[in-house]
Amino acid sequence: EDKVVQSPLSLVVHEGDTVTLNCSYEVTNFRSLLWYKQEKKAPTFLFMLTSSGIEKKSGRLSSILDKKELSSILNITATQTGDSAIYLCAVEEKGGADGLTFGKGTHLIIQP
Amino acid sequence: NAGVTQTPKFRILKIGQSMTLQCTQDMNHNYMYWYRQDPGMGLKLIYYSVGAGITDKGEVPNGYNVSRSTTEDFPLRLELAAPSQTSVYFCASSLPSRVHEQYFGPGTRLTVT
Repeated sequence: EDKVVQSPLSLVVHEGDTVTLNCSYEVTNFRSLLWYKQEKKAPTFLFMLTSSGIEKKSGRLSSILDKKELSSILNITATQTGDSAIYLCAVEEKGGADGLTFGKGTHLIIQP
Repeated sequence: NAGVTQTPKFRILKIGQSMTLQCTQDMNHNYMYWYRQDPGMGLKLIYYSVGAGITDKGEVPNGYNVSRSTTEDFPLRLELAAPSQTSVYFCASSLPSRVHEQYFGPGTRLTVT
């Protein structure tokens, strides 16, 4: 059973729309939740969330964690074609140097 | 800084062949990781290392081996390639205190036929 579940798996919107991507997790010793953006090649780090209710913001992207609901959302406002990518959610567990557990990703396509 | 570099970028192997995927980082990161990404799937951890001489299995280690003789290098070895190992392989590294902020290499696309 997947520990990190993202939805939707794919999404097509028009430029200027606002999108919300979802991530839910089920791990034993949660430390942090991460969002990565993957364009053509390697994932690049966007946000790290550790505390509930505190929004992280970077330009048109923002993210928030709900530890009670074991979930996070990533919002992108005023989308641009350059936002087209796969957005990966991952969870880091305490006590582990053993990497991150990733969800399958949301493939976001922004149409002009 | 080149960051994390991987070679080769692409490779086609026949079933049963062997190969080594190379990974080097120049950021003096102690922690290094190998992931595979299958189409429509997230990244799955194959092996990781917390320092030279120390390696450990991740979620999907079967069919692979690693070594870590230096801080910079973390090669991944496939001994008897199988079609199920067709995937994109990513190497990553991080500081011990920043496991959440992993730096990824550009990936190696491997096809086994």
